[in-house]
Amino acid sequence: NAGVTQTPKFQVLKTGQSMTLQCAQDMNHNSMYWYRQDPGMGLRLIYYSASEGTTDKGEVPNGYNVSRLNKREFSLRLESAAPSQTSVYFCASSPSTSGHQETQYFGPGTRLLVL
Amino acid sequence: GENVEQHPSTLSVQEGDSAVIKCTYSDSASNYFPWYKQELGKRPQLIIDIRSNVGEKKDQRIAVTLNKTAKHFSLHITETQPEDSAVYFCAASPPYSSASKIIFGSGTRLSIRP
Repeated sequence: NAGVTQTPKFQVLKTGQSMTLQCAQDMNHNSMYWYRQDPGMGLRLIYYSASEGTTDKGEVPNGYNVSRLNKREFSLRLESAAPSQTSVYFCASSPSTSGHQETQYFGPGTRLLVL
Repeated sequence: GENVEQHPSTLSVQEGDSAVIKCTYSDSASNYFPWYKQELGKRPQLIIDIRSNVGEKKDQRIAVTLNKTAKHFSLHITETQPEDSAVYFCAASPPYSSASKIIFGSGTRLSIRP
């Protein structure tokens, strides 16, 4: 199994450009998440999807949109990129089948630089 | 909502000594506490977790303790080795969602001195 995969690995954008970050998992997990990681601030939740067909806002949703395309794929879209969105973006997934809180499995990350 | 504070932000210990990282959480309903290790340029990976019905859990050189009354939990690494150098994140998960939402601390950069 590849686990959680993300594309691209690295991207440079100009202010105002748009782009979509792709995430896929092959573990048959129900829930998927998008985080951003900035120095000294840990991982902050942007959006999450508890199950196919649902999405919810996390701590820092402004400037982003998401789509849960199917059970495997969860994409993050920046409609008009800003320098403040320069960050490392991680996608994660969790089984969410037992009714208990469970660990999340992370993808390798996408490093985004907005000029 | 849940808030997790982590201390210290940086920690340097001599190889072979022990390292302790402490976290506090705000939401008494949180019932799942994972710890992640992130090596430079890599993804966060789970190293140990504990649920609220357990006070302590150990896995070889790593142990985690939980004090529900005080709302704090700690990671203990004994006999530290160079490969323990990384950033460590504590986290807490409240049971309010059908997803396993996790709130992370800000991280501790652990350096092991040879």
